[in-house]
Order: sequence, then C-alpha cells, then structure tokens
Amino acid sequence: QLVVNQSPSASASLGASVKLTCTLSSGHSRYAIAWHQQQPGKGPRYLMRVNSDGSLSKGDGIPDRFSGSSSGAERYLTISSLQSEDEADYYCQTWDTGIPFGGGTKLTVL
Amino acid sequence: EVQLVESGGGLVKPGGSLRLSCAASGFTFSTSDMNWVRQAPGKGLEWVSTITSSSSNIYYADSVKGRFTISRDNAKNSLYLQMHSLRVEDTAVYYCARNFDTWGQGTLVTVSS
Repeated sequence: QLVVNQSPSASASLGASVKLTCTLSSGHSRYAIAWHQQQPGKGPRYLMRVNSDGSLSKGDGIPDRFSGSSSGAERYLTISSLQSEDEADYYCQTWDTGIPFGGGTKLTVL
Repeated sequence: EVQLVESGGGLVKPGGSLRLSCAASGFTFSTSDMNWVRQAPGKGLEWVSTITSSSSNIYYADSVKGRFTISRDNAKNSLYLQMHSLRVEDTAVYYCARNFDTWGQGTLVTVSS
C-alpha cells in the first residue's frame, strides 16, 4: 500500500529558504505528487505537481519562490525568500487506489 | 475565474443525513474529474470520493463506502455528496476539488447529539 510521509514541522527565518520533503513508500518511487498549501483558516491551494523525473507543473499565480524537485522516492518543495504569509501547512498528495495524502508539514517562519 | 463554492453543511445528529453541493464556474466542468476531501478539526486532509467527468467511474474511501454517494450534474455545473448514517467521526470541513488543482473554501459538517 502506498504511504506518503512528511515531517510534522519545519521552521526557517524570514528571507531564508526551506526545503520540505515528501517520501513515498517502498516500491513507489516513480509516482508523481502534488504539493498543496493551507494557510491558517483557509482552504488548500494547489502549488505544483512534481514528477519522478523532476519536471513540474505549477498552479496559476504561484510565485517563482516556490519550486519542486525529485530524488528517488523523495519529492521536495523549496520555498526561497521566505515571507510571513508562507507560514502554513503544506501537504503532499499522490494518485493511487484512493488518494493518499501526507500528514502535512507545519512551516513556521521565524 | 475558476471557482468552486461548497454549501449544505451544518449540524446533524448521529445517524442523520446531509447533502453537500459544490457549484463550479470558470472552467469546463463536464470534462473535469471531481473530488471530495475532508479535514477533521485540527487534522490533515483525507480523500473521501472521486467521480470522473462522465460519472462512469466512482471511487470512495473505505471510511465512507456504503454511506456516502457522490454524483454530479454537468448541465448544472454541480457536484454533490449525499451523506447517510453520519457518525461523530464524520465531523469535518468538506472541500470539493477539481483534479486536485483547484479547491473550494469548504463547508463544515458537524455530527453531534
């Protein structure tokens, strides 16, 4: 069964960069994932799809500060020049029987 | 502007029923797969159900199978979720999502006696 794992929390300073990780369970390293941002009190917002080859499909209006990459069974979301509004929960999601979501990473901007 | 607007949430007693709606605009609804995803208070996102563009394929999470029914009306650009035999653990904000690249703002369902 496909399981998607994320670290529960991350933090970085205003103006710095942070790299969030989404790990696919064994045997599923070729799966694409999607990253979603959820700011406090709001609905989720699609950021991008990250394919296993590292190619991306970003959502409309997503700033260039948000980028994605891939290595093996890991998919990454990198946010550069952190702003206060980037403080949010970030979820990864993939496509399989059912639609597995990771547990989310709560990003704190210091 | 691409938009999804959910409605129909509210307070219902355990064992009760509720029907959620999602009104779509700004895109070709009839060619889009649609989904319901929920989020219990303080918890993460949980996929609930998917319906393909022509309603030919429908999928449910095990947690709602047999109790929830997803449907759509392409002529009305609308998605629905009929919920029966509701349980306390169904309490959540319910979001509709197009292909997981567009989300609504959610509607709160509270199941409590």
